[in-house]
Formats: sequence, C-alpha cells, structure tokens
Amino acid sequence: EVQLVQSGAEVKKPGESLKISCKASGYRFTNYWIGWVRQMPGKGLEWMGIIFPGDSDINYSPSFQGQVTISADKSASTAYLQWSSLKASDTAMYYCARGASYFPTSGYSPEYFQHWGQGTLVSVSS
Amino acid sequence: QLVLTQSPSASASLGASINLTCTLSSGHIKYAIAWHQQQPEKGPRYLMKLKSDGSHSKGDGIPDRFSGSSSGAERYLTISSLQSEDEADYYCQTWGTGILVFGGGTRLTVL
Repeated sequence: EVQLVQSGAEVKKPGESLKISCKASGYRFTNYWIGWVRQMPGKGLEWMGIIFPGDSDINYSPSFQGQVTISADKSASTAYLQWSSLKASDTAMYYCARGASYFPTSGYSPEYFQHWGQGTLVSVSS
Repeated sequence: QLVLTQSPSASASLGASINLTCTLSSGHIKYAIAWHQQQPEKGPRYLMKLKSDGSHSKGDGIPDRFSGSSSGAERYLTISSLQSEDEADYYCQTWGTGILVFGGGTRLTVL
C-alpha cells in the first residue's frame, strides 16, 4: 500500500526557516515523481514543484521558483519542502503527492497525482 | 498557456445526478486530465484519469457512481445517485512538459 506520511503542524515567525517532510512507503521511491501542493486558507490547490528522487531532477512552478526548495533523500524515502525565510503569506496547508506512473529515469514528464499525503499546516505569524 | 477552467460552484439534490465541467485552454484540447475530490476538512483524493476520447481509469475504491466523459475541450465528471458525502470540492488537474496545472475547483453542494 502506497503511503505518504507528512510531518506535523508548524508554527513559525516571519523570517524563520523551515523544512517539512513527506515520508513515502509501499513503492519504489526513486522511480516516481513526487510533488508539493499549496492550499491557502479557503483557497484552491496550487502546484509548487516536483522532484524525481532517482536523480533529484526538479521542476518548479514559476510562481514558486526561488521561493522554496524541494529536495529528496533516497536513503530515507523522504521528500522535503523548505523555506529560508518565511513570510506571513506562507501560511497554508501543504500537501505532498506522488505521480501516477513508474518511470525508469527523469526523462519522462510528470503527470497527474495519484496518491496524496495528509497535509502539513504551516502557520506564520509574529 | 495551459489553463483549466471550472465553475466555482454547483448544486444538486440528494439522489440526483450532476455533471461537473473542466475546460482546457485553446491549443490544449487533446490533453488528458485527472479529477480529485476534497471533502470538507480533508486532504485531496484522486478520483480518475480522463482522456480526450472519454476513456477513464478510476482510483482504488472509487464508487461506480463516479464516471467521466469528454467532448472537445470539455472534461466532465458525472456523479450519479448523489449522496451527502459527495458534498466536496472537485479539482481537475492536467500536465504539460515539466509543469502541472490545477483548475480553480468546483464546490458541490448536495441539497
């Protein structure tokens, strides 16, 4: 069974750094794209970026390029989303999600999400 | 530019059927999409992948009441025999080379 288990809720102050995690199990971690999705309070889903853990190839949404960093640790089957300096506007629920298809390399474009994590709530306030 | 357009809201009565629509931007009308459901206070759940020819493949455990179809740039999610637990936000999602896109979502109210 595919499972994506995210780290717990965070309460931070503006300017602080943060790294949240998404631990995968039940499948070959290195061969599926895994992405991050933001949902601000009362709003819709926004794709942030996606990583192919096999070689750490990353695609960022233009809206989030330079604002966050996505990474993955193959040995821990875990993907990460991090901020170097949080803003109040980063307050949101963040979901990780796994792509639908097995790929041998990152040369195949990511597709749709088939499995979702439970979400990590990040609250940023002074 | 790859864009998905959804109506913000829809409503239908308990036991009725409803079609939710997701429209692909011009130049992208052959793209496949995926539908996701987000019940109140829960995370999203994958429902199905839907191709331009109307063929679709559903996720594990998705009831037969959920089906998909396509016509031109339109991708439809049909829910029949509406139940109270179908009250949720529904998002379509598509993808291009190195990018993923979500529609704005449709909030379905079951009356």
